[in-house]
Amino acid sequence: DAGVIQSPRHEVTEMGQEVTLRCKPISGHNSLFWYRQTMMRGLELLIYFNNNVPIDDSGMPEDRFSAKMPNASFSTLKIQPSEPRDSAVYFCASSPTRRAYNEQFFGPGTRLTVL
Amino acid sequence: SQQGEEDPQALSIQEGENATMNCSYKTSINNLQWYRQNSGRGLVHLILIRSNEREKHSGRLRVTLDTSKKSSSLLITASRAADTASYFCARYNQGGKLIFGQGTELSVKP
Repeated sequence: DAGVIQSPRHEVTEMGQEVTLRCKPISGHNSLFWYRQTMMRGLELLIYFNNNVPIDDSGMPEDRFSAKMPNASFSTLKIQPSEPRDSAVYFCASSPTRRAYNEQFFGPGTRLTVL
Repeated sequence: SQQGEEDPQALSIQEGENATMNCSYKTSINNLQWYRQNSGRGLVHLILIRSNEREKHSGRLRVTLDTSKKSSSLLITASRAADTASYFCARYNQGGKLIFGQGTELSVKP
């Protein structure tokens, strides 16, 4: 298995632009998580899905952030419009199931820089 | 916001020495997990210890859990330069979210 795949690995954009981050979870995993990591705030959970359905989006910082999971093998995190304070590393993770409190498998992350 | 506290924040040791990292938490747990993050990479799961376990081993890793003190420790024996990374403890809260500590940055000097 290739593991969790994220794209792009690096994104540099200008303030006000739309940014779309992509994630392909491990095949067979039915929980998917989006995290943001910064030096100041550490690792924060933004939103997670179970069986493609958003379960908890309370970590999404603002309405500028949105996430979708149209099918079991693909998810996107969109920021529109982007701001410099959104600069961070964004991780996607997947897990076989949420209820069993399993380990999570992380992708390599997308390093976002908003100028 | 994070609900786990780890110490030390940074640890520097020589190759061959043991490294001990500690984690404290505030509420009851189902299990506690430890992850490693190499610079510029994603987190990698190392070990999971359940609330009814007191100690668990995996290779050179030893994890202990004291639920009465709400604390856990990760011991890496005979450290290697390749162990240089950040180490995080994590636990699920009642809402089903995995909450990470702020991490311990370990540096192993050859």
